[in-house]
Amino acid sequence: GNSVTQMEGPVTLSEEAFLTINCTYTATGYPSLFWYVQYPGEGLQLLLKATKADDKGSNKGFEATYRKETTSFHLEKGSVQVSDSAVYFCALSAKGAQKLVFGQGTRLTINP
Amino acid sequence: NAGVTQTPKFRVLKTGQSMTLLCAQDMNHEYMYWYRQDPGMGLRLIHYSVGEGTTAKGEVPDGYNVSRLKKQNFLLGLESAAPSQTSVYFCASSYHSTENYGYTFGSGTRLTVV
Repeated sequence: GNSVTQMEGPVTLSEEAFLTINCTYTATGYPSLFWYVQYPGEGLQLLLKATKADDKGSNKGFEATYRKETTSFHLEKGSVQVSDSAVYFCALSAKGAQKLVFGQGTRLTINP
Repeated sequence: NAGVTQTPKFRVLKTGQSMTLLCAQDMNHEYMYWYRQDPGMGLRLIHYSVGEGTTAKGEVPDGYNVSRLKKQNFLLGLESAAPSQTSVYFCASSYHSTENYGYTFGSGTRLTVV
């Protein structure tokens, strides 16, 4: 079946550090891929997405590239801020699917 | 544009009590979902619906019931609450198929069962 594996957290960085959160997937065909962010006490918000191979999703300084050869969708940001502290979820949707498949989430803490 | 609205936002129940959580969306989405999120764990799907009048079980349906009598509303019921149902509950909705837009989530209901 389809699955998503994220790097285990928690991840702690200093402000202005470079961020990578790894996400790999297993799926038949070519799914759509998503990153969601959950700030403390809130629901999940769509951060970015990519619907076909080699697409790059970007938003708020975050980027992720859909790599079919490595079945990956790693989240990156060049210079993190304290306000980026949150839990990040990678997810996939197979074509025509009724549900998303989520990774387990990665908690990110940015220290000033 | 309210998106997905969950009520209530917080609730404390005694063991054995019943309650209903309401999810309402104003985006004309076909699909709706109920998830629970426990500390240190990701999201677990309880029940979902692919259209008015339809429901289906997710990963952890035991102890919960749902109804989708109107397209815009999805209700989650706990008939006899147990401490193991202490959690944060999220509702989400999506268009036909999730591949292009994913989900829109509500802000959650924090439920404590004592």
